[in-house]
Amino acid sequence: KQEVTQIPAALSVPEGENLVLNCSFTDSAIYNLQWFRQDPGKGLTSLLLIQSSQREQTSGRLNASLDKSSGRSTLYIAASQPGDSATYLCAVFHLFKAAGNKLTFGGGTRVLVKP
Amino acid sequence: NAGVTQTPKFQVLKTGQSMTLQCAQDMNHEYMSWYRQDPGMGLRLIHYSVGAGITDQGEVPNGYNVSRSTTEDFPLRLLSAAPSQTSVYFCASRYAGDHEQYFGPGTRLTVT
Repeated sequence: KQEVTQIPAALSVPEGENLVLNCSFTDSAIYNLQWFRQDPGKGLTSLLLIQSSQREQTSGRLNASLDKSSGRSTLYIAASQPGDSATYLCAVFHLFKAAGNKLTFGGGTRVLVKP
Repeated sequence: NAGVTQTPKFQVLKTGQSMTLQCAQDMNHEYMSWYRQDPGMGLRLIHYSVGAGITDQGEVPNGYNVSRSTTEDFPLRLLSAAPSQTSVYFCASRYAGDHEQYFGPGTRLTVT
């Protein structure tokens, strides 16, 4: 059974510092890994999607890496801003049943960027 | 495009009541899913559909029913609400060949 873990559960940094968020998964047979942002009381916004064949993906200040063999992904957010404060979730997409597949989510890392 | 929409945003039910959570998408996505999000449990898959007329159970299907009569809509029915179904419910959709999932804004359900 696939399990996804995010450590730490919460993180507080001063504005301008780089953020490093970790995600680990137990089964390396994944199709891709997706990073989401969730603001309090809101839905999930997709940030980055890394295919299983890729090593990293970048979008603006965000960079996500994937090491399938070790079951790890890292999300880097450069030069953090107070607006980056949110919960960040990683999820791996994998085979669930013969005709279906699903995302398994980590518990999230709650980030606070202090001005 | 409106993307994935969900109604209602909030709902309070008494134990034993029934209701339907609505989900719609205007992206012509084949796949649609329902997840619930609970503190300390993360998001868990309830039911999913790979196309109109085809549905299947996820990890936590008990107490929920779904149907998919059109590509656009995927309602989630609670037949007899229980306090354990207090949660935030998210609907998601994607293309069959594209694994990037798009989520709706969620429905916050409280069962008393």
